[in-house]
Amino acid sequence: DGGITQSPKYLFRKEGQNVTLSCEQNLNHDAMYWYRQDPGQGLRLIYYSQIVNDFQKGDIAEGYSVSREKKESFPLTVTSAQKNPTAFYLCASTASLWGTDTQYFGPGTRLTVL
Amino acid sequence: DAKTTQPPSMDCAEGRAANLPCNHSTISGNEYVYWYRQIHSQGPQYIIHGLKNNETNEMASLIITEDRKSSTLILPHATLRDTAVYYCIVRTHSNTGNQFYFGTGTSLTVIP
Repeated sequence: DGGITQSPKYLFRKEGQNVTLSCEQNLNHDAMYWYRQDPGQGLRLIYYSQIVNDFQKGDIAEGYSVSREKKESFPLTVTSAQKNPTAFYLCASTASLWGTDTQYFGPGTRLTVL
Repeated sequence: DAKTTQPPSMDCAEGRAANLPCNHSTISGNEYVYWYRQIHSQGPQYIIHGLKNNETNEMASLIITEDRKSSTLILPHATLRDTAVYYCIVRTHSNTGNQFYFGTGTSLTVIP
């Protein structure tokens, strides 16, 4: 059963701590993305990667970091430099960054910083 | 930034067709229109996409105007489970890849 998994669904952290959100896909997609969603808002792009060992900043990359060591994995680290990290985080993938392929989403991780 | 305009909210009676409009007046000739929906606290779900021609699948129909400056998503027989936020997206081309820009969407409420 192909898809995108994100874990955990809910995450609580103390202010000042770094936290890493997991994203795994078994769709054999090259491109992967991280979005942030705040209440009542659309999705904003944090980082994206078109291939292993390559990634690009999106519109709101400050305070976040990513890695892409394997095709199927694209973890996101929310660092202590992120001023307002409490949000809903969504991971997505497409077959390619350059085609007209559909983007598929994971179920999301809701991060709450106390 | 989002290149589409949608009404913030709409209601639809259960069993009736839901028609969700979207304006994308700055769309380029090779940019596709995509529709997704998001049920509260879940990841967005793909519905349909199109370039010029009208499209239909098991979930919905997409009607794109001839000038491509607007489109309408049609849910033919809305059910309570169709209550969600619907996003109209133009997939933009750039030298750093083809991006999806999600605006605030239309919150559709299906009323019993």
